[in-house]
Amino acid sequence: DIQMTQTPSSMPASLGERVTISCRASQGISNYLNWYQQKPDGTIKPLIYYTSNLQSGVPSRFSGSGSGTDYSLTISSLEPEDFAMYYCQQYDSSPPTFGSGTKLEIK
Amino acid sequence: EVQLVESGGGLVQPGRSLKLSCAASGFTFSDYNMAWVRQAPTKGLEWVASISYGGSNTHYGDSVKGRFTISRDNAKSTLYLQMDSLRSEDTATYYCARQAYTTDYWYFDFWGPGTMVTVSS
Repeated sequence: DIQMTQTPSSMPASLGERVTISCRASQGISNYLNWYQQKPDGTIKPLIYYTSNLQSGVPSRFSGSGSGTDYSLTISSLEPEDFAMYYCQQYDSSPPTFGSGTKLEIK
Repeated sequence: EVQLVESGGGLVQPGRSLKLSCAASGFTFSDYNMAWVRQAPTKGLEWVASISYGGSNTHYGDSVKGRFTISRDNAKSTLYLQMDSLRSEDTATYYCARQAYTTDYWYFDFWGPGTMVTVSS
C-alpha cells in the first residue's frame, strides 16, 4: 500500500495567515491526489481533486500543487471556518489511502 | 440537493454482525460508484470498500476482506455494508461516500454524516 505522510500533524495559525500543509507519498502517485476538510462535527467535504483542481463551491483561497511524491494544500488567508482537520488521499493505486491528517488550530 | 444518510450503527458484541444502510437522494444513484470510509475514534480516515455503479464490481480493504460485504439496491437508491465477525478494531464512524470520476481522476465528492459502530462486550 502507498503510505501518505502528512505534515504537520497540527498547526496553530492566526486569522488572515497563509498556511501550507504537506503530503508526501511513499512512491510517485502521478498527481492522483485529493484533499478533504473535516469539521469538528464530523462533516467531510472535498476541497481539491487531482492535485490542483478546486471543487465547486470551495473558496479560491484554497489551492493545491505538487508532483511526484510531494504535494501541498495552501490556504492563502485563513478565515474562521477554516479551522478544521485536513486529509490528503491518493488514488494512484489500490487501496486508496489517506494521510494521517493535519489539525489547523487557532493560535 | 445531494444527500447521503447512513443508518444501522450501534453497539454490537465481538463476533456478531451488523448491516449499515446509506439512503441516497438528489441524484441518479445508479450513475455513480459508491464507497464506505471509516474513522476510528481520534484516528484518520480509512477506505473500507467500493462498489461500481451497477453493482458488479466490488473492492475491499485488507482489514475487512472476507468479513464485510458491500452491496447496493439501485431501485431503492440505497447502499449497504454487511459487517460480519466484527472485531473491536472495527469500532468507528462509518461514512458513505459518492465517487465522482472521469477517465483522468476520481474523488469522493459527497459524504454522509456518518453512523457510529461500537464493537464491545
